[in-house]
Amino acid sequence: AQSVTQPDIHITVSEGASLELRCNYSYGATPYLFWYVQSPGQGLQLLLKYFSGDTLVQGIKGFEAEFKRSQSSFNLRKPSVHWSDAAEYFCAVGFLSGSARQLTFGSGTQLTVLP
Amino acid sequence: NAGVMQNPRHLVRRRGQEARLRCSPVKGHSHVYWYRQLPEEGLKFMVYLQKENIIDESGMPKERFSAEFPKEGPSILRIQQVVRGDSAAYFCASSPAGLNEQFFGPGTRLTVL
Repeated sequence: AQSVTQPDIHITVSEGASLELRCNYSYGATPYLFWYVQSPGQGLQLLLKYFSGDTLVQGIKGFEAEFKRSQSSFNLRKPSVHWSDAAEYFCAVGFLSGSARQLTFGSGTQLTVLP
Repeated sequence: NAGVMQNPRHLVRRRGQEARLRCSPVKGHSHVYWYRQLPEEGLKFMVYLQKENIIDESGMPKERFSAEFPKEGPSILRIQQVVRGDSAAYFCASSPAGLNEQFFGPGTRLTVL
């Protein structure tokens, strides 16, 4: 069965510092990959997605992610964090074909931004 | 353009009551998904529906839970005889046919007293 691991439960960075959130997945084939952000009490907003092609994906709010097949990873990065980036971030994988269209989510990484 | 709508946003039920959660997908989307998020956890897939059909219910508990997506109207997730362990946030997502991206609603937060 496919699985997603986000090894960092909680990360704290200072405003203006760079950020990298880790995501590893386990599956035989290359899945579709997503990063979502969830603010407290809110739904999920899609930051970016990878389906195929260029392994460096640009998303909204200045985020990017790099797919590394050899490491089964899809880490999220941002060069300079803003206080408004404080939220919970979820990595998700899916295959989205036929009847198997579910997304499998990691357990999330809570980001705190210090002033 | 309206996104995925869910109501109610908050629902309080006593043990043994029924909970009905509604989801209106993005206009034109024919695929609906339900996920459950327990406290301090990620989202877990429950069920995938297309109009009038359940396509994949592999994540649904075997008892008390049911879902439908009728030809007209919203998708409904129904939980009968709720227990405290059902307290969670329930998210609905939708996608159009042929597009591999799911758009999420704001969720319904169910509290069982």
